[in-house]
Amino acid sequence: ILNVEQSPQSLHVQEGDSTNFTCSFPSSNFYALHWYRWETAKSPEALFVMTLNGDEKKKGRISATLNTKEGYSYLYIKGSQPEDSATYLCLHKGHSSASKIIFGSGTRLSIRP
Amino acid sequence: DVKVTQSSRYLVKRTGEKVFLECVQDMDHENMFWYRQDPGLGLRLIYFSYDVKMKEKGDIPEGYSVSREKKERFSLILESASTNQTSMYLCASSLVAVGNTIYFGEGSWLTVV
Repeated sequence: ILNVEQSPQSLHVQEGDSTNFTCSFPSSNFYALHWYRWETAKSPEALFVMTLNGDEKKKGRISATLNTKEGYSYLYIKGSQPEDSATYLCLHKGHSSASKIIFGSGTRLSIRP
Repeated sequence: DVKVTQSSRYLVKRTGEKVFLECVQDMDHENMFWYRQDPGLGLRLIYFSYDVKMKEKGDIPEGYSVSREKKERFSLILESASTNQTSMYLCASSLVAVGNTIYFGEGSWLTVV
């Protein structure tokens, strides 16, 4: 993988269901991975910053895992609520000083009441 | 509370006009960024600055320039606005190490007619 890819692009989930989505990034060049939550007309809000292989982070009903060897991170939401509706972005930074910060194109999550 | 402020939230400009988008942060951050967001393309980096008077091109710098005369302020300049620059522009800042959280403004919606 040469780029940062997020899948799926959009997701519709029933309230109360759990869901997860993926961020894939170049495994050969890794320094940090960030997850952001972006609600319409608001600033993106930082959820997690992960730097170590095997990292697991949790914030309320949202958690994330990181696998730097295979180049992916999962974001999980347990018991989805309407307020979870947002676009979830991941950001990748490579290790070399020349590496740019690259955002994925996001997963748009909609929760059906 | 940390703050990244984009002074103009909604602008309508004519083709050929010079446009200034201003961004101010109050966190003494070294890094500042300008992104644009277009449907299906995610956040794309236009320029970033890692110190006063220092700047580097991002992925899509054509048609844009930037100015960072003071640490807290990073301006994006469209020398001669064109309709394909109609977009949402997002400013961000962070401390120098990329393991640190990036903080975002609320975005500036620019329409060029």
